[in-house]
Amino acid sequence: NAGVTQTPKFRILKIGQSMTLQCAQDMNHNYMYWYRQDPGMGLKLIYYSVGAGITDKGEVPNGYNVSRSTTEDFPLRLELAAPSQTSVYFCASRRGTSGETQYFGPGTRLLVL
Amino acid sequence: DQQVKQNSPSLSVQEGRISILNCDYTNSMFDYFLWYKKYPAEGPTFLISISSIKDKNEDGRFTVFLNKSAKHLSLHIVPSQPGDSAVYFCAAETSGSRLTFGEGTQLTVNP
Repeated sequence: NAGVTQTPKFRILKIGQSMTLQCAQDMNHNYMYWYRQDPGMGLKLIYYSVGAGITDKGEVPNGYNVSRSTTEDFPLRLELAAPSQTSVYFCASRRGTSGETQYFGPGTRLLVL
Repeated sequence: DQQVKQNSPSLSVQEGRISILNCDYTNSMFDYFLWYKKYPAEGPTFLISISSIKDKNEDGRFTVFLNKSAKHLSLHIVPSQPGDSAVYFCAAETSGSRLTFGEGTQLTVNP
């Protein structure tokens, strides 16, 4: 049982490049989330999904896109990378809401130069 | 609009003493509160939670207190250990919604 896995661990992008951050969970959780954490700041929700085929915007969705074709996978797409997207990205999942524990992946550190 | 706020960016305590981390919120509809711990280069991990129908929840060295009238919760760690040094995030949610996180407090426990 690997929990929540994320790839890559670290990536450097040039301004204007695109990339996909991968996230997978093996706990059969319905709910999945993408957050970004900037230095000295809390976790800001980018996008979330309540099940396969259903996604919705969080607090800071601009510049990102997601898809959820399976229960297990929730990739985050960055189009036209900008320096403001330099951050650490965390994927998370949980079975339900109302106090259910949310499990986080180890994070992807992204540097846009 | 910062609905969950942790006003202390950092806290330093001596090993064996009590650590008290604080969190304030503005949304009276929040009905679950959670604390997460984060070590460098790792994802946050769940620590303890409390429902709004309770005012205290205890798990070993960790106790969370909720004061709904003051919209305030706190995490007590007794006794504090050097391995507790980490960033602690407070989070809150209303039923069926997403978690809203505070900015985090860096706890340092000195041997």
